[in-house]
Amino acid sequence: GENVEQHPSTLSVQEGDSAVIKCTYSDSASNYFPWYKQELGKRPQLIIDIRSNVGEKKDQRIAVTLNKTAKHFSLHITETQPEDSAVYFCAARDYKLSFGAGTTVTVRA
Amino acid sequence: DAGVIQSPRHEVTEMGQEVTLRCKPISGHDYLFWYRQTMMRGLELLIYFNNNVPIDDSGMPEDRFSAKMPNASFSTLKIQPSEPRDSAVYFCASKAGATDTQYFGPGTRLTVL
Repeated sequence: GENVEQHPSTLSVQEGDSAVIKCTYSDSASNYFPWYKQELGKRPQLIIDIRSNVGEKKDQRIAVTLNKTAKHFSLHITETQPEDSAVYFCAARDYKLSFGAGTTVTVRA
Repeated sequence: DAGVIQSPRHEVTEMGQEVTLRCKPISGHDYLFWYRQTMMRGLELLIYFNNNVPIDDSGMPEDRFSAKMPNASFSTLKIQPSEPRDSAVYFCASKAGATDTQYFGPGTRLTVL
């Protein structure tokens, strides 16, 4: 089955700086890579996703890049704000979603 | 749309008791997923259904866990008997078959004493 590794496990950034989270996956058949944001006590919510036929996707301050050859994908958050503080999960899907362990992002004001 | 609905939101029970978690997917969604989230194991898929039929239950930890989907608008996850190590947040999610995005419910926080 798919195995997703996510780094770092915690990330602290100054407000206004950028945050980068990296994930690797094992199954070359995986074709869909979503990122979820989970605030404390809340449900995971999709913030951006990318399919395997696309190398990069951007939505305002959030971007995701995918390197199929290396089997890794990354989340980039620019101009971080306090409301970006949360746990972020990457996931990869071969026939079902497998999630990374999560990254706790803290944005310092 | 109300989104995915789960009940109860919190459940506290004693070891050995039966626990039933409930989920109502988004109307029109034909896939339903049950996940468990713990600090130790993260977010893991337990089982998923397509058109009310269980497709993959390989994530169900043991025979104490069972899930059903009697119709397109209702699913249950049952634990019998419950154990303290079952304490976790259980999420239900749904998606429409032609799309990729899974929408999560608010979760049920289960505590087994």
